[in-house]
Amino acid sequence: SQTIHQWPATLVQPVGSPLSLECTVEGTSNPNLYWYRQAAGRGLQLLFYSVGIGQISSEVPQNLSASRPQDRQFILSSKKLLLSDSGFYLCASERNNEQFFGPGTRLTVL
Amino acid sequence: KNEVEQSPQNLTAQEGEFITINCSYSVGISALHWLQQHPGGGIVSLFMLSSGKKKHGRLIATINIQEKHSSLHITASHPRDSAVYICAAMFQGAQKLVFGQGTRLTINP
Repeated sequence: SQTIHQWPATLVQPVGSPLSLECTVEGTSNPNLYWYRQAAGRGLQLLFYSVGIGQISSEVPQNLSASRPQDRQFILSSKKLLLSDSGFYLCASERNNEQFFGPGTRLTVL
Repeated sequence: KNEVEQSPQNLTAQEGEFITINCSYSVGISALHWLQQHPGGGIVSLFMLSSGKKKHGRLIATINIQEKHSSLHITASHPRDSAVYICAAMFQGAQKLVFGQGTRLTINP
């Protein structure tokens, strides 16, 4: 069984500040990795996914970026946060059709 | 086009009632997932189905491949079952899930 670690759990950042959210996966190798965002009262929006090291697909053009420096590490970044970046960020892993979700990071941009 | 439709969007029931949430999808899938999201935000994968039926405790998930339809049932519902239930499909040849809109379930004591 896979375990996904995300940190931090909550984050309050000023507008214009940088962001780095990290996700690591245990219990599998070569998973597909995903970053989702959920705005308050809304559904999950896929931001990025990765099928391997260094391979990133972007779903929504925005001021966020993602990187996968290692097989089981997925990082979500921004150089300058916007108010609209506030939300709940979830990292997920998929391998052989099994889906696992991390605990999420609740980001508030003020 | 790969689409997933869930119904109902909101469901309120009394403790003990039998609950059914429905999910329809547009084309062939490799897997269909039922997820549960509690108010704190964390998501738990309940079931992954490609055919037939699965049961875990009071939860039952079924899928009819020919009709492109899946259902999630909860027997003897309890207030702690209150959550948002999400159907998500991995379509054949795709590498990402397509999510339904979610069903907000509230079980009153």
